Amino acid sequence: NAGVMQNPRHLVRRRGQEARLRCSPMKGHSHVYWYRQLPEEGLKFMVYLQKENIIDESGMPKERFSAEFPKEGPSILRIQQVVRGDSAAYFCASSPKDRGNTEAFFGQGTRLTVV
Amino acid sequence: SQQGEEDPQALSIQEGENATMNCSYKTSINNLQWYRQNSGRGLVHLILIRSNEREKHSGRLRVTLDTSKKSSSLLITASRAADTASYFCATDRPSNTGKLIFGQGTTLQVKP
Repeated sequence: NAGVMQNPRHLVRRRGQEARLRCSPMKGHSHVYWYRQLPEEGLKFMVYLQKENIIDESGMPKERFSAEFPKEGPSILRIQQVVRGDSAAYFCASSPKDRGNTEAFFGQGTRLTVV
Repeated sequence: SQQGEEDPQALSIQEGENATMNCSYKTSINNLQWYRQNSGRGLVHLILIRSNEREKHSGRLRVTLDTSKKSSSLLITASRAADTASYFCATDRPSNTGKLIFGQGTTLQVKP
């Protein structure tokens, strides 16, 4: 059972370009969470999705950021018109439908650098 | 505001010594989890302690939880150089969507 897969591992974008980050949850997991980690800081929650639904996007910036988790395929975190402040590590976590008191499984992250 | 706060922010010890990290949080929780992150890598889940548990062990790890003080501690016994990493606590709140609220982390350096 492969773990949570994120790609790319490293992404370099120029200011104003778009960044697309992908996350394939573990097999059988239907819940996906995206987190952002700035240098020397902890992870900050961004968005929680189930298949075809955004459940909680309270941590998403109001502009330029969007996320989806289609019926087929990976979850996508999209950042439009990137700025230097978007440079960070973006982590995806997945969990089963009924997580209860169980851990969330994290991917290795995508490190976005905006130049 | 950030739910969890760890202290110390940084800790440096010699191999073989014990390392203790503390985490405080603000609201009621469903459970509290500890994660390790090696530099530039992803998160590795270490241990989960439920709100009705007070202590849990896993190998050289010992976690305590005091819900009355809203605090938790992670003890690593007989530390090794390979334990060098950042350690984060994360809380999972009741009636929540399962999202985790992370602390700022403790950076542990174990010198050989």
